[in-house]
Amino acid sequence: GQNIDQPTEMTATEGAIVQINCTYQTSGFNGLFWYQQHAGEAPTFLSYNVLDGLEEKGRFSSFLSRSKGYSYLLLKELQMKDSASYLCGVMDSNYQLIWGAGTKLIIKP
Amino acid sequence: GAVVSQHPSWVICKSGTSVKIECRSLDFQATTMFWYRQFPKQSLMLMATSNEGSKATYEQGVEKDKFLINHASLTLSTLTVTSAHPEDSSFYICSARELRDSGEAFFGQGTRLTVV
Repeated sequence: GQNIDQPTEMTATEGAIVQINCTYQTSGFNGLFWYQQHAGEAPTFLSYNVLDGLEEKGRFSSFLSRSKGYSYLLLKELQMKDSASYLCGVMDSNYQLIWGAGTKLIIKP
Repeated sequence: GAVVSQHPSWVICKSGTSVKIECRSLDFQATTMFWYRQFPKQSLMLMATSNEGSKATYEQGVEKDKFLINHASLTLSTLTVTSAHPEDSSFYICSARELRDSGEAFFGQGTRLTVV
């Protein structure tokens, strides 16, 4: 079966760095997405990785290792507004998006 | 990024009535649109995938006669919840992709449906 695993909840301190991991087992691979979702709102796009390596976008970076079925989202200089759920999604061989359950990130002052 | 507009943002309806949710791509042509629902504290659940001009492909367990999806143009898809019941209350989200088989998907703002 297809499976996406990410931690349920993480806590970090304002100004610090946090890494949210995602492992996946899917039928084929056509890219991995990270989305941010604040409570009650739709997800917003953060990153898309299809090749191995690190993609950096400002305070957020995303890493992919296809051979390991592994990705992480790295958030630097954490701000209170970064408190949200972070969703990892993988596009399989049929171009269907398979979603993880999301990681709730709690930022403390 | 590209803009996907979903309307309405929230709606309250009576049991037994139907509700239509619209999803529009504002600055690109969406060959493929996805409809999701999300229950509280749960992940997004794909309901169906529609390619412009074709019938939607529904995920297992999703009643196609209850959740009618129309994708008649490259910029508009609609989801109609027919004969709504309280258990249909949920957050419905659409996403649109320019290409049929690849690329980033952009999400609408979501619609919170409450059936009373």
